[in-house]
Amino acid sequence: KQEVTQIPAALSVPEGENLVLNCSFTDSAIYNLQWFRQDPGKGLTSLLLIQSSQREQTSGRLNASLDKSSGRSTLYIAASQPGDSATYLCAVFYNQGGKLIFGQGTELSVKP
Amino acid sequence: KAGVTQTPRYLIKTRGQQVTLSCSPISGHRSVSWYQQTPGQGLQFLFEYFSETQRNKGNFPGRFSGRQFSNSRSEMNVSTLELGDSALYLCASSDGMRVRNTEAFFGQGTRLTVV
Repeated sequence: KQEVTQIPAALSVPEGENLVLNCSFTDSAIYNLQWFRQDPGKGLTSLLLIQSSQREQTSGRLNASLDKSSGRSTLYIAASQPGDSATYLCAVFYNQGGKLIFGQGTELSVKP
Repeated sequence: KAGVTQTPRYLIKTRGQQVTLSCSPISGHRSVSWYQQTPGQGLQFLFEYFSETQRNKGNFPGRFSGRQFSNSRSEMNVSTLELGDSALYLCASSDGMRVRNTEAFFGQGTRLTVV
C-alpha cells in the first residue's frame, strides 16, 4: 500500500533553533516528492519539489533531501522564526496512481 | 501570474442538497486535481482532469463528480450531501504533461459545512 508518514505530529521550538522534519514513504518507485506549508484554514503553499533523480533542493532557509532507497525525506529549516509556525505536509507522487499521497503533517510552533 | 482561484471560499448547505465548487487553474496549466481535507482523514484525492478528460479517480462514492472545460477551469459537484462531506476542498493546478517535473500549486480551498 502506498503510504506517507510524517514524524513528529507536532513540534514546538524556541525562535532561532534549526530543526528537521521527517517524512517516510513505502515505495521507492516515485516520480517526485513535494513539501508544502499550510496555515490554519488556508490552502497549501508549495515549498520545494524534489524530482526522483535529485538528492536535495534548497530555497532560502529551507533544505529538503531525498533518499529513495531508504524511503525518506527530510525538511531542514534553519534559524526558525515565529512566522514559520504552520503545518508542514509531505506529499509523494508515486509512479503508479497518478496522484499525490499526503502525510498527516507536522504542526510546527516557533515560540518568540 | 495569477494563482489558483477557488470559489466560493465558504459554503453552508443542508443535508440532501447538492453543491458545485469551481476552480480556475494557473494560466497554461491543463491538469486540475481535487482533494478533500478533513481532520480525521487528512488530504484525500478525489479526481484529476486533464484536457477535459478525467485521467485519475480516487475512492469516493459516485455522489462526487467533476468536469473540466476547454479553458481548463474545473468544477466539482457533490449531490445528496451528507454531514460527513463537511471538509476543506482543495484544487491543485499543474502542467500535467511532464509528471517528473510537475509541481502542484494549490488554491485557498472551499470550506463546505453541511448542517
